[in-house]
Amino acid sequence: DAKTTQPNSMESNEEEPVHLPCNHSTISGTDYIHWYRQLPSQGPEYVIHGLTSNVNNRMASLAIAEDRKSSTLILHRATLRDAAVYYCILRDAYNAGNMLTFGGGTRLMVKP
Amino acid sequence: EAGVVQSPRYKIIEKKQPVAFWCNPISGHNTLYWYRQNLGQGPELLIRYENEEAVDDSQLPKDRFSAERLKGVDSTLKIQPAELGDSAVYLCASSFGQGNEKLFFGSGTQLSVL
Repeated sequence: DAKTTQPNSMESNEEEPVHLPCNHSTISGTDYIHWYRQLPSQGPEYVIHGLTSNVNNRMASLAIAEDRKSSTLILHRATLRDAAVYYCILRDAYNAGNMLTFGGGTRLMVKP
Repeated sequence: EAGVVQSPRYKIIEKKQPVAFWCNPISGHNTLYWYRQNLGQGPELLIRYENEEAVDDSQLPKDRFSAERLKGVDSTLKIQPAELGDSAVYLCASSFGQGNEKLFFGSGTQLSVL
C-alpha cells in the first residue's frame, strides 16, 4: 500500500490559516487522497478527499501537487475546535478490498 | 439522523475476563468496520463486514477475538479472555458501500484491562 508522511505535530494561532502537509511519493494513479480528523475523545471524522484537482468544502480545502506526490490540507481560519489529529490517507477507489489505513497523523494545536 | 452508536463508552475489567462491545451503524449502511486504537496511534482495522459477511478479518486475533453481525445491522465484538495488552479504544464505523464512500465513526469504547 502507498504510504503517507506527515509531521507529528503543528501549532497554529486562532483565526489564522493552517497548512497541513502530506507527502505520498509512491501514490498510484488510482489512489484518492483522503483526510480525516480526530477530535479529543471522539472517533475520526471525514474532512475532504480528492484525486487530481484542488477541492473545497465547508470544512477545508485540499491542494494537490501537480505530480500528486504531495498534498496540503488548508484550514482557512483555525478555531480552538479545530485542535485535533489530522490523518492523510491514500485509498484506491477501484480496489474493493482497499481499507482506510491510518498512519500516525499530525496533531494540530491551536493557540488562542 | 443518528450517527454510529457504540456502547458501552467505557469498560474496566480484570485480565482473563470476557468483554463485549456493541455497535449500531447508520441506517442503510451495509459496510461495517471495527478498528482498534492504541494510545497515541492511529486506528487499525480489525474486521470489515459487507452486510452480514465478514469479508476481511485478517487482522483479527482469532484466538481470543470474535465478532458477529447478525441480520447485517448491529454488530458485537467480543474478547475472551482479555489480556493487559488489549487496553485500547475500540471504534466502530460504517459506510454506504466501498470505494470512496466516507466512513462514519462512533465515539468508541475505551477498554481498560487491569
